Amino acid sequence: GESVGLHLPTLSVQEGDNSIINCAYSNSASDYFIWYKQESGKGPQFIIDIRSNMDKRQGQRVTVLLNKTVKHLSLQIAATQPGDSAVYFCAETRMDSSYKLIFGSGTRLLVRP
Amino acid sequence: KAGVTQTPRYLIKTRGQQVTLSCSPISGHRSVSWYQQTPGQGLQFLFEYFSETQRNKGNFPGRFSGRQFSNSRSEMNVSTLELGDSALYLCASSHRSGTPNEQFFGPGTRLTVL
Repeated sequence: GESVGLHLPTLSVQEGDNSIINCAYSNSASDYFIWYKQESGKGPQFIIDIRSNMDKRQGQRVTVLLNKTVKHLSLQIAATQPGDSAVYFCAETRMDSSYKLIFGSGTRLLVRP
Repeated sequence: KAGVTQTPRYLIKTRGQQVTLSCSPISGHRSVSWYQQTPGQGLQFLFEYFSETQRNKGNFPGRFSGRQFSNSRSEMNVSTLELGDSALYLCASSHRSGTPNEQFFGPGTRLTVL
């Protein structure tokens, strides 16, 4: 599969535990944030998004938290499963410039059985 | 509904050559964006095309260019290849009528420059 990065920070968790992946974004003008999951050999896949007028959003087994004061995002995955093993990226953009996503450096999540 | 397709999936070129990569968006999607992914720089935005016009451009040299056809298929071209151009090139398609999350990525083209 594709090698996304050899020097990514890695988070190793036990199957069934909760995972928290963190991301610092760069542009205080960004008003839209997205988390992507990338598995080996595949392109990034949308997980969840959040607008800057919110500080928390929940999906199925995932929650994104946004702290605009310190320009920080986190992705929480509940009851982590082996299929969650992948590289996770946060991305920021501005709604008015829409499709130019600025990606973070990524975190590799390894789920131990 | 077929996803985003990219061809070829793998490509090997030598320095100084040029290369053309192709992206077919999801049917009905009119916006195509291109990204370069490398271990050192991560995912970086190259450009976005909508209705055959470049709408956004990243910070890449002029050796990187693209175009979009009337059927929304897009190509990107890299001329005078350098070793540092070795990367996974990803394209993403969207309707461009809603929020930016509606971007669907293809599997990428792995370019190796020798």
